[in-house]
Amino acid sequence: EAGVAQSPRYKIIEKRQSVAFWCNPISGHATLYWYQQILGQGPKLLIQFQNNGVVDDSQLPKDRFSAERLKGVDSTLKIQPAKLEDSAVYLCASSLRPDRFSYEQYFGPGTRLTVT
Amino acid sequence: DQQVKQNSPSLSVQEGRISILNCDYTNSMFDYFLWYKKYPAEGPTFLISISSIKDKNEDGRFTVFLNKSAKHLSLHIVPSQPGDSAVYFCAASVANTGNQFYFGTGTSLTVIP
Repeated sequence: EAGVAQSPRYKIIEKRQSVAFWCNPISGHATLYWYQQILGQGPKLLIQFQNNGVVDDSQLPKDRFSAERLKGVDSTLKIQPAKLEDSAVYLCASSLRPDRFSYEQYFGPGTRLTVT
Repeated sequence: DQQVKQNSPSLSVQEGRISILNCDYTNSMFDYFLWYKKYPAEGPTFLISISSIKDKNEDGRFTVFLNKSAKHLSLHIVPSQPGDSAVYFCAASVANTGNQFYFGTGTSLTVIP
């Protein structure tokens, strides 16, 4: 079974530029999550999708971050414009079951973003 | 506001000995806890979980203990193996917040052969 795929693996941009990350979850997984992990911190949930609908985006900085999950499969996370404090690893995860006990969140390898 | 804390950034243990990783939380509403393991350049992988109705859960070499009154949980690895060297994150969840888990800052475990 293929795991969660993410691209690119690394990205370096200048502040005020735009960037987009892509995630392909495990086939059949209805729930998709985007996390931000700043160096020295644990992952922080940015947004959670159930199929192509948003379940929770309370911690997404909506003035600069946007995410979509068209057709309930792949997802993209965009930052526009980027700030220095956006430097982090962006993790995508998916799970089969939508309820809170779907602790089996499968994570992708992450995209390491550096904003200079 | 860090609701889940792992106060030890790193831990070194001899192979064959016990590794104890600690986690403290501040939100008394948390009722489900997990441990994730992360190797470099990989995403976290689920390790073990515990519900607040229990105080212990065991899976092979891994045991998680929960002390609700102290708002503390710990992960015991016995015996420790070099392949256990990784960063370990604890995470906690509240029932009415859907599936959002709050993660600690991680503890880097090194098992010395």
